[in-house]
This record gives sequence, structure tokens and C-alpha cells, in this order.
Amino acid sequence: DTEVTQTPKHLVMGMTNKKSLKCEQHMGHRAMYWYKQKAKKPPELMFVYSYEKLSINESVPSRFSPECPNSSLLNLHLHALQPEDSALYLCASSLQLAGARDTQYFGPGTRLTVL
Amino acid sequence: AQKITQTQPGMFVQEKEAVTLDCTYDTSDQSYGLFWYKQPSSGEMIFLIYQGSYDEQNATEGRYSLNFQKARKSANLVISASQLGDSAMYFCAMSVKLTFGKGITLSVRP
Repeated sequence: DTEVTQTPKHLVMGMTNKKSLKCEQHMGHRAMYWYKQKAKKPPELMFVYSYEKLSINESVPSRFSPECPNSSLLNLHLHALQPEDSALYLCASSLQLAGARDTQYFGPGTRLTVL
Repeated sequence: AQKITQTQPGMFVQEKEAVTLDCTYDTSDQSYGLFWYKQPSSGEMIFLIYQGSYDEQNATEGRYSLNFQKARKSANLVISASQLGDSAMYFCAMSVKLTFGKGITLSVRP
């Protein structure tokens, strides 16, 4: 089973709202990732967790706050977003972090619109 | 630093024909992996195939095969017997830190 689930599928929020994106995997993977993807562009890495600890933050603005409550769950808390933050947010997981052979498996994504 | 290059414009192929999607890469790492992902309009990034830098055989997964030429630093994806459901964006990517190319849009014509 190579399933990564994400909720919600779609999210519309105002610039003053607080919302959260959720990601879950039950493959026993110890690395989890958040990516942001604009239309017709490749995904851009935002955060990486390894063994539930934040390993990489790609200079993401503080209005995005990641959280890894346990090895199966990854959240992305959103606050005071800007319209340019509207994008597809993808979660991924892999067995380990930074292994040459470790395949990242992606969830279906959350389409975020900021009004 | 790693770099993936996908320069083909949108590709068109007739149903049931084979198509090759090009990917070149650059890295100073000796051990690395090359991946192809498919992204339909629904948005999900679907893993297709993997090739390790030390693998001697070209990878195959069903209708997908990877034409790996290490000396040329190329990792082209070959899709045999194209189906309408193959219409999507295709990304080539490289580990260790997953670096994506710009992607190629493939349209399969009936």
C-alpha cells in the first residue's frame, strides 16, 4: 500500500483566517514533506520532517507553520496568508530522508485559494 | 548542485503508439536516483519508475521503461502503447534531495 491521504481536497480562506492542512501515511515512512505547486510549474519543497523532527525549512514565511504530531501525521497550519499563496499543496513521504533510492510517494494534494 | 532539464514543448502522440520524453541531468554525486512522476489534471503526483545510478539494467515498469545513458547524463522515459489516460504532465526528478525538472505535457490523441 503506497497511499498518502490529504484533507481537505479544496480550501478557500480569507487573509485573516486560520486553517490547517492534514496529511497521513501508514507505510511506516519516517520522512514526510510539504511541497507548494503553482499551475504548470514543478513542486517546490517547503518543509521536511525526519523521525518527527523538522530537518529542512526552505526559508518559508512564518505564516506557514508545520507540525508532525507523530510518525504518521503531518499538518500545515496556515495563518494570515496572501493571495499569492494560492496553490496546490502536496504532501509526500519516503522511507528515509535523503536516500538515493528512497522514493517519495505523494498525496492527492489540497487546492488552496486565498481571497 | 543538482539540475534536471526537460526542454521538450508539449508532446502529442497517437493512441497505441510509443513516445519518448526526454530528461537530462547534472550532478556531482556518485550515488543518485532518477524518478519519473505523472501528474494528471486532478493534481496527484503519481510515481512511475525509478533508476539508480549504479543500476546496470534499464528500469521497466509495465508500459514504462527508462532509457538510462549515464555517460550522456540522460534518463528518458519511454511509454509504449499510449493510452488516452496517459495524457498528463510528466516530471523527471533526481534524488538525493528531490529536484524536479520543469515537466512535459503529453497529450494522447484518439
